[in-house]
Amino acid sequence: SQKIEQNSEALNIQEGKTATLTCNYTNYSPAYLQWYRQDPGRGPVFLLLIRENEKEKRKERLKVTFDTTLKQSLFHITASQPADSATYLCAPGGNNRKLIWGLGTSLAVNP
Amino acid sequence: EAQVTQNPRYLITVTGKKLTVTCSQNMNHEYMSWYRQDPGLGLRQIYYSMNVEVTDKGDVPEGYKVSRKEKRNFPLILESPSPNQTSLYFCASSSAPGRGPDTQYFGPGTRLTVL
Repeated sequence: SQKIEQNSEALNIQEGKTATLTCNYTNYSPAYLQWYRQDPGRGPVFLLLIRENEKEKRKERLKVTFDTTLKQSLFHITASQPADSATYLCAPGGNNRKLIWGLGTSLAVNP
Repeated sequence: EAQVTQNPRYLITVTGKKLTVTCSQNMNHEYMSWYRQDPGLGLRQIYYSMNVEVTDKGDVPEGYKVSRKEKRNFPLILESPSPNQTSLYFCASSSAPGRGPDTQYFGPGTRLTVL
C-alpha cells in the first residue's frame, strides 16, 4: 500500500540555521507533492507545491526539492526563526486528486 | 477574506446524542471534504464532495453522514456519536478537477469529545 514517511522525531534547530525536513514515499508515483504547515489545534495551511517534472521550487525562505528517482522530497527553511516552529505535513497527490498525508514533522526553532 | 469556517469549534457531548458540525466556504470551490486527525494516525479523510448533491466515502466513513445541498456548505452529521469519534475534525475545500492540483484550504477545526 501507499506509504508516506516523514521524520518522526521532532527537529530542534537554532535560530538562523537552515531546517531540512524529509518526506519519503513508497508504492506511489505522485504527479505532484504539497507541503503544509500546521500549528497546534489549527488547520493545515498550504505552503508550496512541486510537480513531478520540477526539481526545485522556492518561495521566500522556503525551498522544496522533488526527486522521483529517490522517491523523496526535501523541505528547507533558511534563516529559520522561532515563528517557523510548527508541524510540517507532506502530501503527495496524483491525477485522481486524492492526497496522501504524512504524519508530519514537528520543528522547533530555538532563539 | 477567503476562508473556510466551521462551527462549533469545541463540542463535548454524550454517546448517542446526534450532532452536526457545519462547514462553509466563500471561495466558490466545488470540492469539499471532511477529515479527522488523531495522534499517530494523521489526517484521514471521512467524506468528500465533488459538487452539489455529489458525495462519496473517504477512508473512514463509518459513523458519519454528510450532505451537499448548496455549493458553499458541507455539514458533517454524527447520528449516534461514540467515544471513538472523539477527535479533531477539519473541513477543507479546493477548486474543481481539471483546474490543477488539489491545493486544499482548511477550516480552523472542531475539537469533539464524546463521553
